[in-house]
Amino acid sequence: AQSVTQLDSQVPVFEEAPVELRCNYSSSVSVYLFWYVQYPNQGLQLLLKYLSGSTLVESINGFEAEFNKSQTSFHLRKPSVHISDTAEYFCAVSRTGGGNKLTFGTGTQLKVEL
Amino acid sequence: DTGVSQDPRHKITKRGQNVTFRCDPISEHNRLYWYRQTLGQGPEFLTYFQNEAQLEKSRLLSDRFSAERPKGSFSTLEIQRTEQGDSAMYLCASSLVQGGVGEQYFGPGTRLTVT
Repeated sequence: AQSVTQLDSQVPVFEEAPVELRCNYSSSVSVYLFWYVQYPNQGLQLLLKYLSGSTLVESINGFEAEFNKSQTSFHLRKPSVHISDTAEYFCAVSRTGGGNKLTFGTGTQLKVEL
Repeated sequence: DTGVSQDPRHKITKRGQNVTFRCDPISEHNRLYWYRQTLGQGPEFLTYFQNEAQLEKSRLLSDRFSAERPKGSFSTLEIQRTEQGDSAMYLCASSLVQGGVGEQYFGPGTRLTVT
């Protein structure tokens, strides 16, 4: 079975500051890794994913995440956040070769302040 | 917009009543997933379908829960004899998987409150 740990339940940050949202996973088999974002009163949206290849993946709105197999981590970073990034962020894994069901972490609430 | 839709968006019911939720996936998506999300937690997998076949069910899916996907299109999730512990957001997602990993697109969810 897989599990995901997001240690930070809330991360307050000022606008234009950098941010890192931490994600660690546990699995005995190879996994795919995902970050989902949930804006207020909206459904979950895929932000970025790691399937294979380059360990650094990027989203279209400036977020990036790096797969670190030795540390079993997939931390999400952005060098300069905006008010519009305020949302809840979920890290998720699914095992390769399975039914692609997702195992989610408990989420990190990112609050960007002026 | 032809995203995943769910109906109803909110449902309040009394303990012991039966409820049914509907999910309409993105057209031509062959996989459909149900998840449950409680306050302060991430979504938890319940079950998934490949076309009309239900291929996996979580231990969370007690015998009071049943899901169907007739004809491989929309899906329904029924909860019989609801309990207060069933109060949660029920999420549906669909994906197109052709030999690899398909991105799951989520619906807005159905929030169930059992009183």
